[in-house]
Amino acid sequence: AQSVSQHNHHVILSEAASLELGCNYSYGGTVNLFWYVQYPGQHLQLLLKYFSGDPLVKGIKGFEAEFIKSKFSFNLRKPSVQWSDTAEYFCAVPDSNYQLIWGAGTKLIIKP
Amino acid sequence: GAGVSQTPSNKVTEKGKYVELRCDPISGHTALYWYRQSLGQGPEFLIYFQGTGAADDSGLPNDRFFAVRPEGSVSTLKIQRTERGDSAVYLCASSLVVSNEQFFGPGTRLTVL
Repeated sequence: AQSVSQHNHHVILSEAASLELGCNYSYGGTVNLFWYVQYPGQHLQLLLKYFSGDPLVKGIKGFEAEFIKSKFSFNLRKPSVQWSDTAEYFCAVPDSNYQLIWGAGTKLIIKP
Repeated sequence: GAGVSQTPSNKVTEKGKYVELRCDPISGHTALYWYRQSLGQGPEFLIYFQGTGAADDSGLPNDRFFAVRPEGSVSTLKIQRTERGDSAVYLCASSLVVSNEQFFGPGTRLTVL
């Protein structure tokens, strides 16, 4: 079965620092890949997704992620974070039955 | 248009009681999913519906959990004889078709005392 691992459970950065959050999944084939974000007190919302085509995908709020098939990775990046990026970030990959398999999440805290 | 809504937002119950959690998906979305999220973890799949039928219920932890979607829209997750370990946030999501992006509701926080 599919599994997803996120390497960092807590990340603390200062504003304007660059961000990279790791995500690895267990097996390949045709994959759709998602990053969701949960801001404090809000529900999960889609940050970006990869279905096919250009492996570098752009999402909302300046986030991007790169799909590297050979490494089974879909790392999330942002060149310069803002205080408002404080949130929990989840990587998710559908299983063969389309249910999303989730990483444990990364709590990101941006110090103003 | 309106997003996914879930009621109640919070539910506190006593061990052994029965609870129902409701999910109202985005209009026109054929697929509906239930997840459970415990503190410090990512969501855990429970069940998903394609239309009225449960296409995959492999994530339901045991037979105390049951979900229905009788008219292919609103869904109810039912938990019998609740246990303290059932305490979690129960999330509902819907998608236009099963392989597409899922849109999440705000969740129901269930606390079993």
